[in-house]
Amino acid sequence: EAGVVQSPRYKIIEKKQPVAFWCNPISGHNTLYWYRQNLGQGPELLIRYENEEAVDDSQLPKDRFSAERLKGVDSTLKIQPAELGDSAVYLCASSLLRRETQYFGPGTRLLVL
Amino acid sequence: TQLLEQSPQFLSIQEGENLTVYCNSSSVFSSLQWYRQEPGEGPVLLVTVVTGGEVKKLKRLTFQFGDARKDSSLHITAAQPGDTGLYLCAGAESGGSYIPTFGRGTSLIVHP
Repeated sequence: EAGVVQSPRYKIIEKKQPVAFWCNPISGHNTLYWYRQNLGQGPELLIRYENEEAVDDSQLPKDRFSAERLKGVDSTLKIQPAELGDSAVYLCASSLLRRETQYFGPGTRLLVL
Repeated sequence: TQLLEQSPQFLSIQEGENLTVYCNSSSVFSSLQWYRQEPGEGPVLLVTVVTGGEVKKLKRLTFQFGDARKDSSLHITAAQPGDTGLYLCAGAESGGSYIPTFGRGTSLIVHP
């Protein structure tokens, strides 16, 4: 069974440019999470989806970050415009249901210059 | 202020040594998870502890959940180079909406 797929794996952009990350969760998993992991830190939850509904998005900087999960399957996280402080690893995870085991993807490493 | 405090932050040991990593909080957790994350990869779940005082073993790894469900420890016996990685604890506060919170992690290096 395929795990959580994320793309791209690496992205280097200049500040003020837009960037998007894509995540395909494990088939059948209803819950999808986006995390940001800064260097030397643990992952920080940005947003959680239950099917196509966004819940727990209090940590998402809504002035520049947006996310969508159309049809309740794959998801896209966008930053526009990117700032230097957005450099981090963006992790996607999915679980069958809320409170169930989370399975993480390999992450997208973003460097904003 | 971190909800979950992990210690030590860094650990560098020789193969064959034993070690213990701690995860502490002032909050009560309904459950607590331990993950290992290798460079360039996402965290991989090692274990979930639910009951206060619970002890779980996974080969050379022993996990313990505190009686009050506020803290946990991970003990590795006879560490091997393959144990190298970032060990993260994560949990959701009891009675909350299950927003998972991660500690900063303990970075372990086991030298051959």
